[in-house]
Amino acid sequence: AQKITQTQPGMFVQEKEAVTLDCTYDTSDQSYGLFWYKQPSSGEMIFLIYQGSYDEQNATEGRYSLNFQKARKSANLVISASQLGDSAMYFCAMREGETGTASKLTFGTGTRLQVTL
Amino acid sequence: DGGITQSPKYLFRKEGQNVTLSCEQNLNHDAMYWYRQDPGQGLRLIYYSQIVNDFQKGDIAEGYSVSREKKESFPLTVTSAQKNPTAFYLCASSQGVKSNQPQHFGDGTRLSIL
Repeated sequence: AQKITQTQPGMFVQEKEAVTLDCTYDTSDQSYGLFWYKQPSSGEMIFLIYQGSYDEQNATEGRYSLNFQKARKSANLVISASQLGDSAMYFCAMREGETGTASKLTFGTGTRLQVTL
Repeated sequence: DGGITQSPKYLFRKEGQNVTLSCEQNLNHDAMYWYRQDPGQGLRLIYYSQIVNDFQKGDIAEGYSVSREKKESFPLTVTSAQKNPTAFYLCASSQGVKSNQPQHFGDGTRLSIL
């Protein structure tokens, strides 16, 4: 079974609109972390936002917020007020377990977001 | 500025040749990682190192080797045993290995077969 599932290969959004990128995950660990990364066409991976499994509040970082629904095992990324520079691939990733076993990041297959005028 | 430097940006390998990808970080991070990305796919872990002189295999370690002689350096060698090396390789580091610590990435190296 896939550990991280991103069901939207591609998304379009108009400039200044909000967009939600879906991510569901599968783990039996109680302690885990969920991350979102942005990958522009140049290739580098840019860390956007983090949500811990024990965090009660949804994470926010500027225009990025994470809609964390633990019972549904979903961690959707919401980008508000989209900008042309937001056009990129977006990856959801998970890190499982406590210290010593938590080294591996498992990535989804990504969603390509295109922001239009 | 602090960050992760990967070199070269583009690399070509001949059949039967070993090549080494460089990764250097000045973030004083303990842990370092190598990932491989194929077109249209997410990243897969090749090797990781939690401390100097120690490293562990990831999901796709066959055909690759690493060393961690210095905290700031984690070079990856793609050996001739790796039959399909064409991919985008990303190096990352993190302060530690706890689940809440994000990994920060370099700009990547694109490896192709001649």
